[in-house]
Amino acid sequence: KAGVTQTPRYLIKTRGQQVTLSCSPISGHRSVSWYQQTPGQGLQFLFEYFSETQRNKGNFPGRFSGRQFSNSRSEMNVSTLELGDSALYLCASSRDTGGTEAFFGQGTRLTVV
Amino acid sequence: AQSVTQLDSQVPVFEEAPVELRCNYSSSVSVYLFWYVQYPNQGLQLLLKYLSGSTLVKGINGFEAEFNKSQTSFHLRKPSVHISDTAEYFCAVRGLMIKAAGNKLTFGGGTRVLVKP
Repeated sequence: KAGVTQTPRYLIKTRGQQVTLSCSPISGHRSVSWYQQTPGQGLQFLFEYFSETQRNKGNFPGRFSGRQFSNSRSEMNVSTLELGDSALYLCASSRDTGGTEAFFGQGTRLTVV
Repeated sequence: AQSVTQLDSQVPVFEEAPVELRCNYSSSVSVYLFWYVQYPNQGLQLLLKYLSGSTLVKGINGFEAEFNKSQTSFHLRKPSVHISDTAEYFCAVRGLMIKAAGNKLTFGGGTRVLVKP
């Protein structure tokens, strides 16, 4: 059974640009959550999608957005990139929104220059 | 809301020695508890979880953790570490019975374990 797949693994963008990251959950999983990991702030919850609907949102500015497609694949978008957006972005897949286990992808390392 | 405190940011330990990583949490509701491990340039891998029942939980790679409700702690232990256990370890909680919480995990700041030969 394939795990959680995040693409791309590495990304370099310029300040002011926008970026889209992709996450394909484990087959049969309908919940996808996104986290930002930085050395200063640690692991912080961005948002969760379940059945194409945003279920929960963390404390991030509106520049961070996401969506989920009917096949459960999810994308997150960051507009008007800032240097502080440099981070490892992790996607987690769960069977449903009340799941007891989250499976993480390997992450996308975003560097903003 | 929940919060998680990992009391040690770094733990150096010699190979074959025991290790304990401390985790305390705060929550106004019951929680599920998790320990994850992260190897360099990798995502998070679940080591073990406490959902209910026995307070001593065994996980993968010889790790175990004990849930202590009165002390709101969930410390992780391994009786004998290997070089390959060098990694960062994260304690996390998820609130129960909060419809809006969904699958949101709240993480501690992490503990870096460095196993020395």
